[in-house]
Amino acid sequence: AQSVTQLGSHVSVSEGALVLLRCNYSSSVPPYLFWYVQYPNQGLQLLLKYTTGATLVKGINGFEAEFKKSETSFHLTKPSAHMSDAAEYFCAVRTYTGGFKTIFGAGTRLFVKA
Amino acid sequence: EAGVAQSPRYKIIEKRQSVAFWCNPISGHATLYWYQQILGQGPKLLIQFQNNGVVDDSQLPKDRFSAERLKGVDSTLKIQPAKLEDSAVYLCASSGPQGGTEAFFGQGTRLTVV
Repeated sequence: AQSVTQLGSHVSVSEGALVLLRCNYSSSVPPYLFWYVQYPNQGLQLLLKYTTGATLVKGINGFEAEFKKSETSFHLTKPSAHMSDAAEYFCAVRTYTGGFKTIFGAGTRLFVKA
Repeated sequence: EAGVAQSPRYKIIEKRQSVAFWCNPISGHATLYWYQQILGQGPKLLIQFQNNGVVDDSQLPKDRFSAERLKGVDSTLKIQPAKLEDSAVYLCASSGPQGGTEAFFGQGTRLTVV
């Protein structure tokens, strides 16, 4: 069965510093991978996705992620954190088992210090 | 393009009462999901519809939760009777038929059971 593990429930960085949010997945078939962001009292908004092709994908707000099949990872990065990046981030895997199903990780809350 | 619409945004009920949530997905999206998001956790899939048929309801507490998607468009999720542990945000999402299509989320309904 597919699953998603996000390492670190909380990550704190200084403004301008590198952001690295970790995600590992398990899937019996080639997965589609997603990162979503959730601001307080809001639904989830897609940051970026990997389906096929180039393993380094770029998303909105300067975020990017790299699919590494050998490591079953899909870590999210941003070179320079901004105060507005403070939010909850969710990694998700979408696979097909009798129907397309999207499973989410537990989330990582990003804090950005001035 | 209109997004996923959910109502109400907030609901407070007493335990043992019943409650219903409504979702209108993005036009043309065949797949509709209901997720439960408990504070501090990632979204947990409760039920997934493909058109008006149920694809997965393995994590739906069927003794108290029910959902329907008549005519393959709008959906309602009902809880009867509610328990304190049902306090959560209930997110509705929809997606297109292709595997690489991400799920689009509504803003959610925040349920508080007192």
